[in-house]
Amino acid sequence: ETGVTQTPRHLVMGMTNKKSLKCEQHLGHNAMYWYKQSAKKPLELMFVYNFKEQTENNSVPSRFSPECPNSSHLFLHLHTLQPEDSALYLCASSQRGDIRDGNQPQHFGDGTRLSIL
Amino acid sequence: KQEVTQIPAALSVPEGENLVLNCSFTDSAIYNLQWFRQDPGKGLTSLLLIQSSQREQTSGRLNASLDKSSGRSTLYIAASQPGDSATYLCAASNTGFQKLVFGTGTRLLVSP
Repeated sequence: ETGVTQTPRHLVMGMTNKKSLKCEQHLGHNAMYWYKQSAKKPLELMFVYNFKEQTENNSVPSRFSPECPNSSHLFLHLHTLQPEDSALYLCASSQRGDIRDGNQPQHFGDGTRLSIL
Repeated sequence: KQEVTQIPAALSVPEGENLVLNCSFTDSAIYNLQWFRQDPGKGLTSLLLIQSSQREQTSGRLNASLDKSSGRSTLYIAASQPGDSATYLCAASNTGFQKLVFGTGTRLLVSP
């Protein structure tokens, strides 16, 4: 099993559709993340979950709804998206320790390429 | 607000050359700085992570340095190979050590 798996790899949807992105990590980590990567723009952090609890929402519109049922799985529910939401959505995980432990690297999946018609 | 800049945006070199990629950040109060590699259509692979108390990290042909006072980090790639062709991203972590702020990357092409 690869470390972080994202499905589907590609998704095309209309603006009125509802779909979900799935992320699963097999690394035993306790923190998971959603990022958005748009063309010509830096990666943007969207959400952070620690021990299944959301600890960061980076002012993301409510049409994106994350869900973290356990430390290994993370979903991003999509509803009534806009054309500007077309992007590569990346999931990552890491082991969150005490801040004195220093930071552990985040491990990324290959992403879901989302296209909004 | 932290801003991360990477120069150059693209770089093309012949195989065997040593090269340096640059990353600058505006807020020096960082917890760490990470370098990633991204291949086309793929996610990110962590290459090196430098804690704020460290000056450099090395892994194989890669060496990353950190100078917080000047707000700079460099990634040195020795004896470049065609397989090194990818986009290289740096990311700084400060406001909350899990929050990474990314640069837009340097797209590297190493030709045989």
